[in-house]
Amino acid sequence: ETGVTQSPTHLIKTRGQQVTLRCSSQSGHNTVSWYQQALGQGPQFIFQYYREEENGRGNFPPRFSGLQFPNYSSELNVNALELDDSALYLCASSTLAGRNTFGSGTRLTVV
Amino acid sequence: DAKTTQPNSMESNEEEPVHLPCNHSTISGTDYIHWYRQLPSQGPEYVIHGLTSNVNNRMASLAIAEDRKSSTLILHRATLRDAAVYYCILRDPFGGANSKLTFGKGITLSVRP
Repeated sequence: ETGVTQSPTHLIKTRGQQVTLRCSSQSGHNTVSWYQQALGQGPQFIFQYYREEENGRGNFPPRFSGLQFPNYSSELNVNALELDDSALYLCASSTLAGRNTFGSGTRLTVV
Repeated sequence: DAKTTQPNSMESNEEEPVHLPCNHSTISGTDYIHWYRQLPSQGPEYVIHGLTSNVNNRMASLAIAEDRKSSTLILHRATLRDAAVYYCILRDPFGGANSKLTFGKGITLSVRP
């Protein structure tokens, strides 16, 4: 079975710019969750998509948005980047109540 | 979200057993106890989960207290590759968006050769 793949692995953006991160889910999984992990902290839940619909959201502003596609892959979009958005962004796929399989993440640096 | 409490760090020797404790005194009846670990420069990795009974798999064992207010992840023979941050998480699989994983800071396990 294929695992979860995230792209790109590293990214540097300037404050105020927009960024799109991508995630391909594991075969057989219909749910994708996104997490933000600041240095030295545990991952924080951003939102979850189930069958192309948002299925829950954490405490993140609307400039964090997402999409899930018919093949269950997903995108995370962040507008108006701020310095504090610098973090590791993790994608996890699962069945709705099943165990999560995480990708290795995208390291975003905002300068 | 029900919270878990873990020590910040723990050290062990290679090839010795390791017991990683977790307290979850506000656990609800539908919460499963999940453990994930995160190796350096990787995303979290599922380790084990359980509801009431002790559980074993190829990676570890999970011992759950009778009142479910605490649990212990047991690595039977630690290897250098087990050095990671271990997260104890409560998860309600029937909670809709509450089936998300709520991570704390976890416990950092160091393994001495």
